[in-house]
Amino acid sequence: AQKITQTQPGMFVQEKEAVTLDCTYDTSDQSYGLFWYKQPSSGEMIFLIYQGSYDEQNATEGRYSLNFQKARKSANLVISASQLGDSAMYFCAPWGTTDSWGKLQFGAGTQVVVTP
Amino acid sequence: EPEVTQTPSHQVTQMGQEVILRCVPISNHLYFYWYRQILGQKVEFLVSFYNNEISEKSEIFDDQFSVERPDGSNFTLKIRSTKLEDSAMYFCASTLGQGARGYTFGSGTRLTVV
Repeated sequence: AQKITQTQPGMFVQEKEAVTLDCTYDTSDQSYGLFWYKQPSSGEMIFLIYQGSYDEQNATEGRYSLNFQKARKSANLVISASQLGDSAMYFCAPWGTTDSWGKLQFGAGTQVVVTP
Repeated sequence: EPEVTQTPSHQVTQMGQEVILRCVPISNHLYFYWYRQILGQKVEFLVSFYNNEISEKSEIFDDQFSVERPDGSNFTLKIRSTKLEDSAMYFCASTLGQGARGYTFGSGTRLTVV
C-alpha cells in the first residue's frame, strides 16, 4: 500500500490564525493528484481542494490553499483565518498513482481544534 | 448541487445478521466505490465498481462482502454475516470518470454490530 504520512496527529490553532497541515507521500509516478478532505464530528467527508502534479500554480479554494512541492512529495494544506467551524479531522489522499489508481488512499489524518 | 445519498444513516444489527447498506450515486456517474472508516482510524478503500462489475477490491473486501447495482440507480453493499469488527462508518462515493475532479462522497452509514 502507498505510504502516506500526516505527521501531526493533532493541532490547536487560535481563531483567525493560519494553520498548515503536513502531508507527504511515497510515489515514483510523475503524474498524479492530491486531495484534501475535511471530516467534522458529524462524520461526513467534505472535499476541500485538489491539485494535479503538473498544475503550475498551487491550488486555492477560498481560505484553503495547497503548498504542493512535487520534488519533496509533499502537499501541505494551508487554512487561512481559521474559524471555529474548521475544527475537524483533515485527511490527505493521493490519487492516480500506481498504488492509488482509480481509488483514494487516505493518510491517518490530523485533528484540528480551533480555539476562540 | 448533485449529491450521493446513503441510507440508513445509522444501522444497528446483531452479530451474524446480514446487512445491506444503500447508496444512490450521482445519476450520470459511472464509477462507484465503498470505503470504510473504523472509529478513530483512517478511511480505507473497500471496492470499486464500473460497468456492472467489480474493478478492484481491497484485502478487507472478503467473501462476506458483496456489491451490486440492482436497478441502475442504487448501489448496495451487503455484509453477509456481520462481525463485531465490521462496526464502522461506511462511505459510498461516485465519479463520472476516472478523473479526480468530481469525486463525491455520501454522508455515510454508521454500522454498529452488537
